[in-house]
Amino acid sequence: DVKVTQSSRYLVKRTGEKVFLECVQDMDHENMFWYRQDPGLGLRLIYFSYDVKMKEKGDIPEGYSVSREKKERFSLILESASTNQTSMYLCASILRDRAGMNTEAFFGQGTRLTVV
Amino acid sequence: DAKTTQPNSMESNEEEPVHLPCNHSTISGTDYIHWYRQLPSQGPEYVIHGLTSNVNNRMASLAIAEDRKSSTLILHRATLRDAAVYYCSFSGTYKYIFGTGTRLKVLA
Repeated sequence: DVKVTQSSRYLVKRTGEKVFLECVQDMDHENMFWYRQDPGLGLRLIYFSYDVKMKEKGDIPEGYSVSREKKERFSLILESASTNQTSMYLCASILRDRAGMNTEAFFGQGTRLTVV
Repeated sequence: DAKTTQPNSMESNEEEPVHLPCNHSTISGTDYIHWYRQLPSQGPEYVIHGLTSNVNNRMASLAIAEDRKSSTLILHRATLRDAAVYYCSFSGTYKYIFGTGTRLKVLA
């Protein structure tokens, strides 16, 4: 069974802390994405990676960074957590077709982060 | 801005068909159209995808407009277990765009 695993379901962190959200996939996919999900705003793309050590900014990258040192692992980093980063964070691992187009996305269970 | 547009919420009676609409007017010619659903406390899960032609699978059907700027997810007989948030999305080589989703309520 294919799997995308996020390291924590729930996290509570203090303002100003550096926060690491980990995502691991076992499908050998090149593409991995990080989204945040907020009520009424749907899924918004933070960063994505299409290969090891490669990263691209999404629509809302401010206050975040990412790391992709190994193909199976894509980490989202909150450099200095703030209360407006309280949200549900979703990692997705994306299957590509032979033409390199993104097809089916496999999501983790999500990490609900609260910054106090 | 690339995005999809969906109604915030819809209701359906159990065992009746449901048509969930989506507009994706900024879609490019080679982008796939996808639908996902999300149950409470879970990540979104794949339902169906297509490119130009209508698609059927065991979960649902996808009807794609001729100009590809809109699509409709069809659940043929809604059950209580179909109550969820449904997301329409489209994807290319370096993008995967989601909208705000439609919350489907199924009435017994």
